[in-house]
Amino acid sequence: DIQMTQSPASLSASVGDRVTITCRASQGIRNDLGWYQQKPGKAPKRLISAASSLQSGVPSRFSGSGSGTEFTLTINSLQPEDFATYYCLQHHTYPWTFGQGTKVEVK
Amino acid sequence: EVQLVESGGGLVQPGGSLRLSCVVSGFTFSSYEMNWVRQAPGKGLEWVSYISTSGGTKYYADSVKGRFTISRDNAKNSLFLQMNSLRAEDTATYYCVKGGYFDSSHFWGQGTLVAVSS
Repeated sequence: DIQMTQSPASLSASVGDRVTITCRASQGIRNDLGWYQQKPGKAPKRLISAASSLQSGVPSRFSGSGSGTEFTLTINSLQPEDFATYYCLQHHTYPWTFGQGTKVEVK
Repeated sequence: EVQLVESGGGLVQPGGSLRLSCVVSGFTFSSYEMNWVRQAPGKGLEWVSYISTSGGTKYYADSVKGRFTISRDNAKNSLFLQMNSLRAEDTATYYCVKGGYFDSSHFWGQGTLVAVSS
């Protein structure tokens, strides 16, 4: 199975900050990676597909980069509605595997 | 508009069974692969099972293999997850997710909660 190591597990940030979250795959997955945002009691919402493609309707302050084994989600100028938990998902092969999640909290 | 609506969750005793359903609309169900993904309370996301368009190929997470069975009825636009021999650790919200080898659209339903407790 492909292991996805996501870091950090949590971070504290202020509105306007730039936030970076990383996922590392245990083997190459090309760009078969998505980034999700989840708020309490809600289903995950995909922000980024194919490692760097912004989903329709997602604010441009979100961006993704990487390929192979190293991937990054960046949130530029954090907004109040961005405080949530973020997950990466590799769908290069089954079993699909998720990162452990990163909780972005108010500083 | 793509929609996936799960149902069938509830409270069940350890060792019991439950059948989850996911009814879809907004796309040609028979042409798309499907999955179940779950999330235990306060925990991360875990892929559970996959089924191909025809139902001929199925995969399961090791944690549910031999206890859960995924199936689909393409005529009724429905995906199912039969869960037997349920354990406390199966307590989670279960999501149906559109996607697979040939489809990376990854639409998610809103989830249905399964609680396994005596």
